[in-house]
Amino acid sequence: EVQLVESGGDLVQPGGSLRLSCAASGFTFSIHAMHWVRQAPGKGLEYVSAITGNGGRTFHSNFVKGRFTISRDNSKNTLYLQMGSLRAEDTAVYYCATSLGGDWYMDYWGQGTLVTVSS
Amino acid sequence: DIQMTQSPASLSASVGDRVTITCRASQDIRNYLAWYQLRPGKGPKLLIYAASTLQSGVPSRFSGSGSGTDFSLTISSLRPEDVATYFCQKYDSVPRTFGQGTKVEIK
Repeated sequence: EVQLVESGGDLVQPGGSLRLSCAASGFTFSIHAMHWVRQAPGKGLEYVSAITGNGGRTFHSNFVKGRFTISRDNSKNTLYLQMGSLRAEDTAVYYCATSLGGDWYMDYWGQGTLVTVSS
Repeated sequence: DIQMTQSPASLSASVGDRVTITCRASQDIRNYLAWYQLRPGKGPKLLIYAASTLQSGVPSRFSGSGSGTDFSLTISSLRPEDVATYFCQKYDSVPRTFGQGTKVEIK
């Protein structure tokens, strides 16, 4: 059974940093792309970042570029999102997702972890 | 960047009703369109990919259609467990933008 479990969400002050993790199981982690998507309170889904299976290519949306970094450790079956220079507007539930189907739609998702940026 | 516009923003329908949500892309995305269901407290669930292919395990009352710029998601007979917010997403290229979402409620 495919499982994605996010962790690391917390209350952090503006300007602070946080690292999210996503532990994966039930599939061959190292060959599949992974994604981070977020949902701010009362808002829709926002595509944050993505990384290819071997970590060789990454994508970050403009609103996090230069502040967030996606990475993965295939030996630990874990995806990361290093978040820096956090702003109030980064407050959201962050989901990790994977694309097992051979294209870039996201067929399995975690339950999410809440990041709150506030003083 | 290509924009994704969903409508309506919300709808209320009776159990058993046929419900249709539309999604329009600002440029041609061929059939690189997915639909997701988001229930409170849960992670999103993939319903449809490639505009019209039903994801394994998703009830057959869900269907998708369209190509190019105009797409739709239809629930043929609304059930109480379908109360959720539905999002379309383009995945032809980055950024893989989502629509704004459609909140479906039971009347």
